[in-house]
Amino acid sequence: GIQVEQSPPDLILQEGANSTLRCNFSDSVNNLQWFHQNPWGQLINLFYIPSGTKQNGRLSATTVATERYSLLYISSSQTTDSGVYFCAGIIKAAGNKLTFGGGTRVLVKP
Amino acid sequence: NAGVMQNPRHLVRRRGQEARLRCSPMKGHSHVYWYRQLPEEGLKFMVYLQKENIIDESGMPKERFSAEFPKEGPSILRIQQVVRGDSAAYFCASSPGDCCFGPGTRLTVT
Repeated sequence: GIQVEQSPPDLILQEGANSTLRCNFSDSVNNLQWFHQNPWGQLINLFYIPSGTKQNGRLSATTVATERYSLLYISSSQTTDSGVYFCAGIIKAAGNKLTFGGGTRVLVKP
Repeated sequence: NAGVMQNPRHLVRRRGQEARLRCSPMKGHSHVYWYRQLPEEGLKFMVYLQKENIIDESGMPKERFSAEFPKEGPSILRIQQVVRGDSAAYFCASSPGDCCFGPGTRLTVT
């Protein structure tokens, strides 16, 4: 079946460290997005990034659509970056809805 | 300029009761997508509705679950005879693309 795989599943960081989260798709994907779910469960859209690279403050994302993967970079991590990061995309074979990865759980320690 | 609205934010039901979750899309949007997030998992698509039409219900459990989006008023996700396994966060979105998830309804079945 269609798969969206995220790695690593868990990540523990010391405040100030940098990290890279990866998202692989088993099929061509449109509308690729990254979300942050904070410890209170709120889902925040970080990036809409079907291709190329975008930056927003300490976060940036790169999608290589032809190779079916996307990367999320967190630089100079802060404790408020803790939570779960999800990637999601619209996979043509799956219809007009978002398919989510299983998430990367990030804990940033002070 | 309200975003996607969901209510209630928290809902507690005893086994066997009915749960009704409501979602109002962003102003000007006529589509609603419902997703379910089981504990420690990613979001899974349930159903996609337009006003008065179910477009895609491929993610809905076969029994006890139903959804509607009437001409007037919010979309309703209805769960009959709830069981403990229905405990989850239920999110709705008003676009498949680059925006617009509601804050979610956290259903707890005791």
